[in-house]
Amino acid sequence: GENVEQHPSTLSVQEGDSAVIKCTYSDSASNYFPWYKQELGKGPQLIIDIRSNVGEKKDQRIAVTLNKTAKHFSLHITETQPEDSAVYFCAASIHKGSSNTGKLIFGQGTTLQVKP
Amino acid sequence: NAGVTQTPKFRILKIGQSMTLQCAQDMNHNYMYWYRQDPGMGLKLIYYSVGAGITDKGEVPNGYNVSRSTTEDFPLRLELAAPSQTSVYFCASSYSGTSYGYTFGSGTRLTVV
Repeated sequence: GENVEQHPSTLSVQEGDSAVIKCTYSDSASNYFPWYKQELGKGPQLIIDIRSNVGEKKDQRIAVTLNKTAKHFSLHITETQPEDSAVYFCAASIHKGSSNTGKLIFGQGTTLQVKP
Repeated sequence: NAGVTQTPKFRILKIGQSMTLQCAQDMNHNYMYWYRQDPGMGLKLIYYSVGAGITDKGEVPNGYNVSRSTTEDFPLRLELAAPSQTSVYFCASSYSGTSYGYTFGSGTRLTVV
C-alpha cells in the first residue's frame, strides 16, 4: 500500500524567513496531495492541495510543488508569521472516479515554530 | 452549521472497559473516516464509510468497530480497551471521495489505564 514519509519532524525559523516541508510517497498511482495544518488542541485543517496533473499551486504565502517522477511534493511558506506555528501534515490519496474511497495516507507531521 | 462534532472530548478508560466515540456531521457528507493520532506517527486510518450502511477497514482496525446507520452519524466502538488504544481520535468527513479535502472534528483524547 501507499506510504508517505515527511521531513523534517521539527522546524524552527525566524519570523519573515521561509519554511519548506518535504514529503515522499511510494505509490505512483497516487494523484491527490493535500496539506493540513493542526493548531494545538484542534483538528487538522486543509490549507492547500495539488493534483497530479499540476506541478505547482500557490495561495498567497503558501505554495505546493509536486515532482511525479521523483514521487515527492513540498510545502513552501514564505514570510512566516508567528501564527504559522503549528503541526503540518502532508497526505496522499488515489482518486479513481466513481469507485474512489477518498482515503488519505498521512505523513508523520512537522512541528513548525516561528520565532518572533 | 456545526461541521463535524465529536463527543466526548476527553475520556479515561480502565483496561477491559468498552466505550463508543460519537461523531456527527451536518453537512450532508457521504464519506466519513476515523483516524487515530499518536505522537510522531501522523494519522492512521481506522475505519471509513462511503455512505449509510457501508463501512470498511482502514490501516489499523483491530480492536475497533463502526456502524453507519445514517448519513449524519459514524460512531466508533472500542471493545475491551487496551493501553495501546491510548490516543487522540479524529473523525472526518467529505462530500465525496473526489472532493477537495476533509473536514475534521476537534478530536477525542482517550487514555486507557
